[in-house]
Amino acid sequence: EVQLVESGGALVQPGRSLRLSCAASGFNFGDYGMNWVRQVPGKGLEWVSSISWNSGTIVYADSVRGRFSTSRDNARNSLYLHMNSLRAEDTALYYCTKAYCSTTRCYSDFWGQGTLVTVSS
Amino acid sequence: DIQMTQSPSSLSASVGDRVTITCRASQGVSNYLAWFQQKPGKAPKSLIYAASSLQSGVPSKFSGSGSGTDFILTISSLQPEDFATYYCQQYNSFPYTFGQGTKLEIK
Repeated sequence: EVQLVESGGALVQPGRSLRLSCAASGFNFGDYGMNWVRQVPGKGLEWVSSISWNSGTIVYADSVRGRFSTSRDNARNSLYLHMNSLRAEDTALYYCTKAYCSTTRCYSDFWGQGTLVTVSS
Repeated sequence: DIQMTQSPSSLSASVGDRVTITCRASQGVSNYLAWFQQKPGKAPKSLIYAASSLQSGVPSKFSGSGSGTDFILTISSLQPEDFATYYCQQYNSFPYTFGQGTKLEIK
C-alpha cells in the first residue's frame, strides 16, 4: 500500500525558513517523480513543485521559485521542501504526492495527508 | 499559464442522480487531464487520469471524457459518499494548474 507521510509543518514568522519532509513507503520511491501541492484551508489546490525520479528535473511555480527548493533522498525514501523567506501567503496545507507519468507528463496518483504551514507574526 | 475553469462551482443533487461536471482549459492540453475528489478534512483522491482512464480501485460509476480544451466528469447513481468537492487538473505543461473546484452537495 502506498503511504506518504508529511511532517515539518509549523507556525513560523514571516521571513523565516522551514523544511518539510515526506516519508514514502509501499512503492519503489526511486522510480517515481514526486510533487508538492498546497491548499489554503477552505480554498483550492495549487501545484508547487515537481521533481523527477533522479532529481534531474525540478520545476517550481512562479509563486515560490527562488524561495523554495525541492530535493529527494532515494536511499531514505524521502522528499523534502526547503522553504525560505516565508510569506503570509505561503500559509497552507502542503501535500506530498506521488507522480504517475506518461512520457514526460505526470499526474498525482497518490496523496499524503498534508502538513500545515502557518506563516504569521 | 493554462487556466482551468470548472462549471458549475456548486451543484445540488439527490441520491441516485447522474451528474456531470465540466472543465475547460484556456488552451489545448491534449488528454493530459486528471480529476480528483476531496472530502472535508481529507486529502484529494485521484479518480481519473488521461481524461478518461479510471484510477485503480475507483468505481466505474465515475467516468471522464474529452480532449483538447473541453472535459467532462460524469458520476452515475450518486451515493452519500460521493458528495464532495471535485477538481480537474491539467498536466500537459508547467505550471500544472487546477480548476477552482465543484462542490457537490446533497439536495
